[in-house]
Amino acid sequence: NAGVTQTPKFQVLKTGQSMTLQCAQDMNHEYMSWYRQDPGMGLRLIHYSVGAGITDQGEVPNGYNVSRSTTEDFPLRLLSAAPSQTSVYFCASSYSVRGNQPQHFGDGTRLSIL
Amino acid sequence: DAKTTQPPSMDCAEGRAANLPCNHSTISGNEYVYWYRQIHSQGPQYIIHGLKNNETNEMASLIITEDRKSSTLILPHATLRDTAVYYCIVRVPNSGGYQKVTFGTGTKLQVIP
Repeated sequence: NAGVTQTPKFQVLKTGQSMTLQCAQDMNHEYMSWYRQDPGMGLRLIHYSVGAGITDQGEVPNGYNVSRSTTEDFPLRLLSAAPSQTSVYFCASSYSVRGNQPQHFGDGTRLSIL
Repeated sequence: DAKTTQPPSMDCAEGRAANLPCNHSTISGNEYVYWYRQIHSQGPQYIIHGLKNNETNEMASLIITEDRKSSTLILPHATLRDTAVYYCIVRVPNSGGYQKVTFGTGTKLQVIP
């Protein structure tokens, strides 16, 4: 049982490049989400999903796309990277968002856009 | 949307109890209070949650006031490894019936030797 796994751990991109941050969980969790954390700030919700095929926007969705084709995976795509997207990205999951179960977080992806 | 207010920072002597307050005056009747912490740059770690009653687990205790407008996380014997940012969160329902979970800036707890 690996929990929530994020890859890669570190990435450097040039402005305009695209990439996908991977997130996988092996706990059969219904709810998954992506956050970004900038220096000195709390976590801000980017996108979330309440199940396969269902996604919705969080606080800061612009510049990011997500999809949820399986229960296990919830990738985050940057279509055209911008320096403002330099941040640490965390993926999280919980058994059910309608219950009171807590979220489990991955170790993060540290992304730098040059 | 229910929001939380926490002090930006606190100090606590090693071995003493750390009491971290959180205000959530607009909390709804069916919303839970959750506490997480983030050590250095790791992913947030779940600590404890509760609805009305006080809760205790191997990590901490959670005290919720009778009117539910505030709560306190208690670390009974703080150690240097408890130095972290502590987040108090209230589940926020949206119009679709699903719940977005949002984090604020938390309280940075510094445990002092």
